[in-house]
Amino acid sequence: DAGVTQSPTHLIKTRGQQVTLRCSPKSGHDTVSWYQQALGQGPQFIFQYYEEEERQRGNFPDRFSGHQFPNYSSELNVNALLLGDSALYLCASSTGGASYEQYFGPGTRLTVT
Amino acid sequence: GEDVEQSLFLSVREGDSSVINCTYTDSSSTYLYWYKQEPGAGLQLLTYIFSNMDMKQDQRLTVLLNKKDKHLSLRIADTQTGDSAIYFCACNTGFQKLVFGTGTRLLVSP
Repeated sequence: DAGVTQSPTHLIKTRGQQVTLRCSPKSGHDTVSWYQQALGQGPQFIFQYYEEEERQRGNFPDRFSGHQFPNYSSELNVNALLLGDSALYLCASSTGGASYEQYFGPGTRLTVT
Repeated sequence: GEDVEQSLFLSVREGDSSVINCTYTDSSSTYLYWYKQEPGAGLQLLTYIFSNMDMKQDQRLTVLLNKKDKHLSLRIADTQTGDSAIYFCACNTGFQKLVFGTGTRLLVSP
């Protein structure tokens, strides 16, 4: 049973560019949450997708957007990249019902130069 | 807003018990979690506790919750060098949105 997978593993972008990160949830899970983890910090909640809709959003600007597909996989898009967007981006999956277990993927390390 | 605080660093000897502490501000948190992160890796769910419980034991791990003081702890018995990692406390603030602490780096020396 595959766990949560994310691609790519590492990414280097230039300021002002746009980036798309991808996540496939654990088998049987229908909810995907995205988190940003800056170096030396705990993860910060970006947003959550359930039934292809954004259900919750953290304190992140509109440059951060997402999408969930019918197969429950998800994308995180970041426009107009800033140096401060450099971080580990983590995807977590869970079920939208009564399950409170969230499982995280290995993350995508984004470096903005 | 919600806030979760942890001490930054803990050093123990192999075979000793480790106790990692966490305090939180959101009294409406229904579930509280402990995650482990090894260098360059994602987060591994270790255990979690429902807010109406005081204690949960899972093999070498014991979680204690003092809801009155909003204090959560993780005890690791017989700590091994493989337990060296960063440990995050997190609170569920609704619809499975997690608020994390800054993490406690555990160093286990032989």
